[in-house]
Amino acid sequence: DVKVTQSSRYLVKRTGEKVFLECVQDMDHENMFWYRQDPGLGLRLIYFSYDVKMKEKGDIPEGYSVSREKKERFSLILESASTNQTSMYLCASRLGGGPSNQPQHFGDGTRLSIL
Amino acid sequence: GNSVTQMEGPVTLSEEAFLTINCTYTATGYPSLFWYVQYPGEGLQLLLKATKADDKGSNKGFEATYRKETTSFHLEKGSVQVSDSAVYFCALSDPALGTDKLIFGTGTRLQVFP
Repeated sequence: DVKVTQSSRYLVKRTGEKVFLECVQDMDHENMFWYRQDPGLGLRLIYFSYDVKMKEKGDIPEGYSVSREKKERFSLILESASTNQTSMYLCASRLGGGPSNQPQHFGDGTRLSIL
Repeated sequence: GNSVTQMEGPVTLSEEAFLTINCTYTATGYPSLFWYVQYPGEGLQLLLKATKADDKGSNKGFEATYRKETTSFHLEKGSVQVSDSAVYFCALSDPALGTDKLIFGTGTRLQVFP
């Protein structure tokens, strides 16, 4: 069965810290995605990746970066955390190159609080 | 541009009531349409999908029909249960964008009471 695992369910960090959120999938999917979810705003795409070492900006990339050194792992990095980055972060993966009806598979999310 | 509009929640129903959650979309190309569900404390799960006009997606008693003429993909269930309480997201994937991105609506919270 499909499995996307996010390393932490809850995380508390301080303003200015460098924060790493990790995501691992076991389905050999090419595509991986990072979203943030905020009340009233739904899901907004931060970054995505089509393959190892490839990355594309999503709709709200400012203040974030990503790393994809291995196919199964996609890391989201907050270079200098700020309070407005307090949110729920969701990772997803998808089989690449197929038709548009291929769904994305999500992890359980990381609820990040920046104090 | 592409967008998804969902009815605002929360939707509050008694058990065994009929459910409709409205979803309309705008798309450049011919999109695929999805409904995802998020139970409390969890990530999103695919509930159902439809690929072309008049397709009906169904799962766990939920149904949605791809209506190209009205650009809609409304979610329905004939008799809801307390366990259906969750947030429901409508989404589209448009091949005309040249990416595998999903465009999400803002979500609709459903609360079902016994």
